[in-house]
Amino acid sequence: DGGITQSPKYLFRKEGQNVTLSCEQNLNHDAMYWYRQDPGQGLRLIYYSQIVNDFQKGDIAEGYSVSREKKESFPLTVTSAQKNPTAFYLCASSGTSVSQETQYFGPGTRLLVL
Amino acid sequence: GIQVEQSPPDLILQEGANSTLRCNFSDSVNNLQWFHQNPWGQLINLFYIPSGTKQNGRLSATTVATERYSLLYISSSQTTDSGVYFCAVELAGGGNKLTFGTGTQLKVEL
Repeated sequence: DGGITQSPKYLFRKEGQNVTLSCEQNLNHDAMYWYRQDPGQGLRLIYYSQIVNDFQKGDIAEGYSVSREKKESFPLTVTSAQKNPTAFYLCASSGTSVSQETQYFGPGTRLLVL
Repeated sequence: GIQVEQSPPDLILQEGANSTLRCNFSDSVNNLQWFHQNPWGQLINLFYIPSGTKQNGRLSATTVATERYSLLYISSSQTTDSGVYFCAVELAGGGNKLTFGTGTQLKVEL
């Protein structure tokens, strides 16, 4: 089946530790996105990538890093510089980065700080 | 930046009731999507509707772009409709980056 997978479902981070969240899609989509959701809030854009080997900061990129070495993969690293990382992280993709493309979402990863 | 406001923030319905959710936005948009987030966190596309009216089963949506609002109608609600409903907009010239509202939390009771 075509879709977006995220792993792990739950992730625990210790103080000062970097952790990486996985996002894979087999929809042959060019564009991919990472969002953060805090309790009772809407989603906020962290990073997005319009094409392989290229990515741009979203609204809340500080403390996060990404890479886009393959079309189907867009991993997100939460660094130790992110002081409040506890949140629900959602990955999405769309056919292109051209305007007016529907975005499709993965099931999410919940990150908790120990 | 663009402001996206949704109302009501919370809604409780009896099964079988109808409801209308509203999304107001502060600037011209190229794209507007409605999503349903289920209790497990999964976001499901409901409508891509930058203008006009669309229907899908018990759900329908209308966007009046010139007046900067969109409405989501839920008819004959079921318990499986529970969850959070988000609208998200793409600012004109925004390159497919979505700005989300804060959502409407819907609970449908028996």
